[in-house]
Amino acid sequence: QQPVQSPQAVILREGEDAVINCSSSKALYSVHWYRQKHGEAPVFLMILLKGGEQKGHDKISASFNEKKQQSSLYLTASQLSYSGTYFCGTLNYGGSQGNLIFGKGTKLSVKP
Amino acid sequence: GAGVSQSPSNKVTEKGKDVELRCDPISGHTALYWYRQSLGQGLEFLIYFQGNSAPDKSGLPSDRFSAERTGGSVSTLTIQRTQQEDSAVYLCASSLMVWGRPGGYTFGSGTRLTVV
Repeated sequence: QQPVQSPQAVILREGEDAVINCSSSKALYSVHWYRQKHGEAPVFLMILLKGGEQKGHDKISASFNEKKQQSSLYLTASQLSYSGTYFCGTLNYGGSQGNLIFGKGTKLSVKP
Repeated sequence: GAGVSQSPSNKVTEKGKDVELRCDPISGHTALYWYRQSLGQGLEFLIYFQGNSAPDKSGLPSDRFSAERTGGSVSTLTIQRTQQEDSAVYLCASSLMVWGRPGGYTFGSGTRLTVV
């Protein structure tokens, strides 16, 4: 029940927008998003708990569509500092109530 | 402490030796997790501790892997008879539990294990 992330990689110019998708084959209770810069540990961005919920963090926001069993991360007016690998982590109904299952990641490169 | 602390940061060991990796979580975080990340790969779940409950060991890849958490705080991941495929970065994370579900994870900097 590993979530599927798409795209696997994306290259942007500064100021461009990107969308990263995370979908699950099982009903989702919650979705977490993390960013990992090269050689560093993943850093928590946000958690989404309810269907249809949207949250924002600076120019990074996310939505959670419980019905479609998917979440999307939106990066607007991207900055060089946004570069890194983005992971979604999911908790499924009926599965473990504790540990997240992470997708394989989306590598985002922002060029000047 | 202020963050999740892992030691050692790097470990090179010979094939067949045992290794111990240590994790000191954020004080007050009842949940503690171990994940493994191979080069360029995602995060593979290993084991999860929550309070005084029995740990969820469903992600441990073989019986050479074991972990314990003493006093609801520090955790040690032990790998016996290490193999080259065990080479990876071992990440520990901790979190609060909110309504029985994990809040955001705080990850440690990891232990880079190299088996030669």
